[in-house]
Amino acid sequence: TQLLEQSPQFLSIQEGENLTVYCNSSSVFSSLQWYRQEPGEGPVLLVTVVTGGEVKKLKRLTFQFGDARKDSSLHITAAQPGDTGLYLCAGGQGGSEKLVFGKGTKLTVNP
Amino acid sequence: DTEVTQTPKHLVMGMTNKKSLKCEQHMGHRAMYWYKQKAKKPPELMFVYSYEKLSINESVPSRFSPECPNSSLLNLHLHALQPEDSALYLCASSLLQGAMGYGYTFGSGTRLTVV
Repeated sequence: TQLLEQSPQFLSIQEGENLTVYCNSSSVFSSLQWYRQEPGEGPVLLVTVVTGGEVKKLKRLTFQFGDARKDSSLHITAAQPGDTGLYLCAGGQGGSEKLVFGKGTKLTVNP
Repeated sequence: DTEVTQTPKHLVMGMTNKKSLKCEQHMGHRAMYWYKQKAKKPPELMFVYSYEKLSINESVPSRFSPECPNSSLLNLHLHALQPEDSALYLCASSLLQGAMGYGYTFGSGTRLTVV
């Protein structure tokens, strides 16, 4: 069973601060996906990374896939209250029929 | 159309009731999924359909019965549920099963309460 460990589990920061969320595994994944989920809603796909060392930017969010494709990070610059939510990383293996989810990081950005 | 639509949004049912959850997508995705999510936990895979055929059943109890009438629709039939089955049930779709680079599109979910 492939496991994805996310850290931190909870994060509460002030508006304007920067933060990084980590997603680590001992398994190699062909791709890593990041989702954000708000209470009572389904997860919304933010990004997919597929190449080792790949960096993708989405406005103030920067996503990185580790060189060995076993880990990923999400960095948010100048966090805003609208960034509040549960951030989930999910990994897939080529040809695998399952997407493995991490336990999530609950982010709260206070005004 | 880039959405997965789930109905109903909320459902309260008794332990002897029979109900169905519905999911619809018109993105041409050929893989569809049912997930169960308990509070403060990540989604847990229940079933996978690929080209309208059931390809994965994650040892889900038979009181949950999935159905895929066509490439756009996915149902989850519920019967004789237990209170511990109360959860957010999420439907998702992806272009192809196993094509991880494309990501999943999730619906907003059905909040199920079993009384």
